[in-house]
Amino acid sequence: GAGVSQSPSNKVTEKGKDVELRCDPISGHTALYWYRQSLGQGLEFLIYFQGNSAPDKSGLPSDRFSAERTGGSVSTLTIQRTQQEDSAVYLCASSFKTSIGARSSYEQYFGPGTRLTVT
Amino acid sequence: QKEVEQDPGPLSVPEGAIVSLNCTYSNSAFQYFMWYRQYSRKGPELLMYTYSSGNKEDGRFTAQVDKSSKYISLFIRDSQPSDSATYLCAMSRTSYGKLTFGQGTILTVHP
Repeated sequence: GAGVSQSPSNKVTEKGKDVELRCDPISGHTALYWYRQSLGQGLEFLIYFQGNSAPDKSGLPSDRFSAERTGGSVSTLTIQRTQQEDSAVYLCASSFKTSIGARSSYEQYFGPGTRLTVT
Repeated sequence: QKEVEQDPGPLSVPEGAIVSLNCTYSNSAFQYFMWYRQYSRKGPELLMYTYSSGNKEDGRFTAQVDKSSKYISLFIRDSQPSDSATYLCAMSRTSYGKLTFGQGTILTVHP
């Protein structure tokens, strides 16, 4: 079936503008994650959704960043008043619970990312 | 100091070589360990997923976890030019939680 999809694939915006990034997870995946990948910082966690709730948003770098998920499916990451340091690739991953014996696992599958450039 | 340390390389090997990639970590609460492969301008692709200490083999890939030493490895046998990519280790405390990644090792397999 289809993998995780993200849009747009590339986004160039001016400093101070707001941007919205979209993630469509794999159908049936209950968990959804946002990460950011930059040259200096590597791949960093931003926020995790289980259904429509976000039990862990510890990685959001500032209150300019927010995310929501609706219908247990699509998620949107919004960055307000973008800064040059926000330039990075924003990756979305989704997962579902599988069981190996008595143990459960949530393998995370990543989308292709949105490359954000703030000029 | 980062929670997960990974030598960025770059690592260059001839086709057919055995490749060894490693990560060390400092948080003893990590229980789930993964290896991802990432081609240029693509998202990470899950290669191996393991729980706690031990070995796991899948085709040409073998993942090893030594929790007592806080050290994980990925071995690639009979390496191919198509294995040229960045390899990222990742780990988490819970099965469903956030992943903490290493910096990634750039691997080139030349014909």
